[in-house]
Amino acid sequence: QQQVKQSPQSLIVQKGGISIINCAYENTAFDYFPWYQQFPGKGPALLIAIRPDVSEKKEGRFTISFNKSAKQFSLHIMDSQPGDSATYFCAARLPLSYNNNDMRFGAGTRLTVKP
Amino acid sequence: DTEVTQTPKHLVMGMTNKKSLKCEQHMGHRAMYWYKQKAKKPPELMFVYSYEKLSINESVPSRFSPECPNSSLLNLHLHALQPEDSALYLCASSQGGSNTIYFGEGSWLTVV
Repeated sequence: QQQVKQSPQSLIVQKGGISIINCAYENTAFDYFPWYQQFPGKGPALLIAIRPDVSEKKEGRFTISFNKSAKQFSLHIMDSQPGDSATYFCAARLPLSYNNNDMRFGAGTRLTVKP
Repeated sequence: DTEVTQTPKHLVMGMTNKKSLKCEQHMGHRAMYWYKQKAKKPPELMFVYSYEKLSINESVPSRFSPECPNSSLLNLHLHALQPEDSALYLCASSQGGSNTIYFGEGSWLTVV
């Protein structure tokens, strides 16, 4: 029941480069799109999130770009650092008014930033 | 640091054992969740408690039994598990009216 498709599966970037991870969704009822960062042996941590009425959100080196008509959103990591090496999950959530408003995750992208 | 605390961090149990995973949050959140995560896979939703009532059960086998004693605590009782149940079990919480879900560090479960 994959409702969020994420690519690439893995990504290798040089230090200082830009990391780009893409996600596409099917259900137009989704109204909240977070990105989670997960380090080995740790739980997922919320990185940044966006709602569909906004086309871009930036927090530090992390930017979400959102294209509502294409049903796509992406994470850009500027000036990538070795400490950014982790697995990144995009997700989508239905409105709270829905009975089943759980989070649907993408398959994940393993990012490696080489020094 | 996460404000969702899970214990134990690691658990090894035999297939005939009974054990429990525990989760606690003090953020006043009214929704709590159990997720299961296998290696290199995204978290999969197991259960949702909303205002201490079970609101979602994603067709999880009965060998997993959730319990919500109060608004701050969430347990997952384990009995007669199979080796394929070995995974990272994540507890999470969210505030009513907010979409943000906060995860704990997880409990690594190994069934032998």
